[in-house]
Amino acid sequence: EVQLVESGGGLVQPGGSLRLSCAASGFTFSSYSMNWVRQAPGKGLEWVSYISSSSSTIYYADSVKGRFTISRDNAKNSLYLQMNSLRAEDTAVYYCARGHSVVRGVILAFDIWGQGTMVTVSS
Amino acid sequence: DIQLTQSPSFLSASVGDRVTITCRASQGISSYLAWYQQKPGKAPKLLIYAASTLQSGVPSRFSGSGSGTEFTLTISSLQPEDFATYYCQQLNSYPPTFGQGTRLEIK
Repeated sequence: EVQLVESGGGLVQPGGSLRLSCAASGFTFSSYSMNWVRQAPGKGLEWVSYISSSSSTIYYADSVKGRFTISRDNAKNSLYLQMNSLRAEDTAVYYCARGHSVVRGVILAFDIWGQGTMVTVSS
Repeated sequence: DIQLTQSPSFLSASVGDRVTITCRASQGISSYLAWYQQKPGKAPKLLIYAASTLQSGVPSRFSGSGSGTEFTLTISSLQPEDFATYYCQQLNSYPPTFGQGTRLEIK
């Protein structure tokens, strides 16, 4: 079964750090680009970060640039999000999502999503 | 960044109804548009990509159309399991933005 499972969420104080993980199974992880998407309580979806299959290309949303770092370990079938200098507005459910492409290098959608992990930033 | 505006934001309909949700982009995005369904407490589920291609396993009552700046998601005959929130997403350029969502509720 194709699956993504996030972990690492929790309660952290403003200014603190947290590292999220996403474990992939059921597909060749090293062949796919990956993303992090978040959703604040009662709000819509916000894309956070992208990493290509080989880690050669990385993008961030302006709202997290300089504070968050995306990475992956293809040998461990895992995706990560290091979150530093956390703010109250980073409170959200964080999802990892697989990039879906039909033509190489062209991402057409996010086709597989994890169940999400909750990050709460509060004192 | 490309802005996506969905209309309506809220829709009340009955089982068996045909419903249409519109997504407008602030600039042309060719056909790089996807639609997702999200139920409370669950992750989004991909329904349609490339504006009109149905994702494997998605019922054929869902369809998408459009290109450029205006897109639609149509559900031909609402089923009880279709009541959820729907999001469009553009993937023409980074950041890949989402619409604000359309909440579809039972009348």
